[in-house]
Amino acid sequence: GENVEQHPSTLSVQEGDSAVIKCTYSDSASNYFPWYKQELGKRPQLIIDIRSNVGEKKDQRIAVTLNKTAKHFSLHITETQPEDSAVYFCAASIGNNDMRFGAGTRLTVKP
Amino acid sequence: GAGVSQSPRYKVAKRGQDVALRCDPISGHVSLFWYQQALGQGPEFLTYFQNEAQLDKSGLPSDRFFAERPEGSVSTLKIQRTQQEDSAVYLCASRPTGFNALGQETQYFGPGTRLLVL
Repeated sequence: GENVEQHPSTLSVQEGDSAVIKCTYSDSASNYFPWYKQELGKRPQLIIDIRSNVGEKKDQRIAVTLNKTAKHFSLHITETQPEDSAVYFCAASIGNNDMRFGAGTRLTVKP
Repeated sequence: GAGVSQSPRYKVAKRGQDVALRCDPISGHVSLFWYQQALGQGPEFLTYFQNEAQLDKSGLPSDRFFAERPEGSVSTLKIQRTQQEDSAVYLCASRPTGFNALGQETQYFGPGTRLLVL
């Protein structure tokens, strides 16, 4: 089955700097790659997603890139703000019912 | 509109007790998923329903775990004879369609039920 690895596990940046989180996946049939933000004690919230027919997608300060050949995708957050502090999860979806998550990255943005 | 809701939000059980966790998906959503999230980890897939049909239960860790969605809306995850290793947050998610149609892949999560087995 699909295996998703996520790095780094923790990331600390100064406010205004950029943050990059990277994920790799194992199954080349995966075709949908969402990123979720989870604040402490709350539900995972979708922040951006990308499909296998697209290489890059941007939404304001957030962007995601996908390299299908290398089977990796990355989340880029620019001009980070303290409210960006949370745990971020990548996921890869194959078929209809199987979404595998990475182990998460705890992002801390220092004011 | 209303999102995915789950109840109870917190559950403390003594080892050996049975528990039942409820999920109310977004109205009209065809697909429903259950995940287990251990502390400091990502959600791990447990089972998937398309309407009332349980199409995949490969993630259920043991035969003590049972899920149902009899009318294709509300779902219940039951854990029998709870063990300490069952302590986790149990997340439910729903998706509009029964398949990964373009633009319809997103899973919407509930707030989770935090289960603590003593």
